[in-house]
Amino acid sequence: DTEVTQTPKHLVMGMTNKKSLKCEQHMGHRAMYWYKQKAKKPPELMFVYSYEKLSINESVPSRFSPECPNSSLLNLHLHALQPEDSALYLCASSQDLGGGGFQETQYFGPGTRLLVL
Amino acid sequence: AQSVTQPDIHITVSEGASLELRCNYSYGATPYLFWYVQSPGQGLQLLLKYFSGDTLVQGIKGFEAEFKRSQSSFNLRKPSVHWSDAAEYFCAVGKGTNAGKSTFGDGTTLTVKP
Repeated sequence: DTEVTQTPKHLVMGMTNKKSLKCEQHMGHRAMYWYKQKAKKPPELMFVYSYEKLSINESVPSRFSPECPNSSLLNLHLHALQPEDSALYLCASSQDLGGGGFQETQYFGPGTRLLVL
Repeated sequence: AQSVTQPDIHITVSEGASLELRCNYSYGATPYLFWYVQSPGQGLQLLLKYFSGDTLVQGIKGFEAEFKRSQSSFNLRKPSVHWSDAAEYFCAVGKGTNAGKSTFGDGTTLTVKP
């Protein structure tokens, strides 16, 4: 099974709402990623988790709060977002060798298309 | 720091014609190189990757890519394009260790004419 699943597929939220994006993989991967992708642009890395610990935060605003409750799940909690946060949010996973090294083949989910009104 | 350049923003080819998408990278050591494809509204699907060994890499969907260290290139090719190949293609480079931070090119949009 080389699948990464993401829910919901689409999300519309107001600027005062709180919502969460969910990502799940059952490949035994220990590194998981959140990316943000605007139309016609490459994905921009937001967060990386390694062994359920936050490893990389690319200076993302605090209105985005990641969580990795176990090795298969990755959440992205959203609060007080701005219209410019509307984008496709992609989750990915890769095998992690530990000790600071990553096996870099990343498997991506289909994404959640977020619209902030 | 590593960087990736995809010189062609948009390419149009006729169905059945051959395809080459260009990718140039900048990195001091041997890079890890990837090609991904993204259909509209979808996630990224890995087409192929190069870590070491044979510089001609075979991927899924009939794609191949050749790593040329002297030219810092990793161009993607397909001998005969199908209408379903129309999509966005991203080249990416990784550092191999302490990474998780692959750098993506800006992408090339492929249109296939009937």
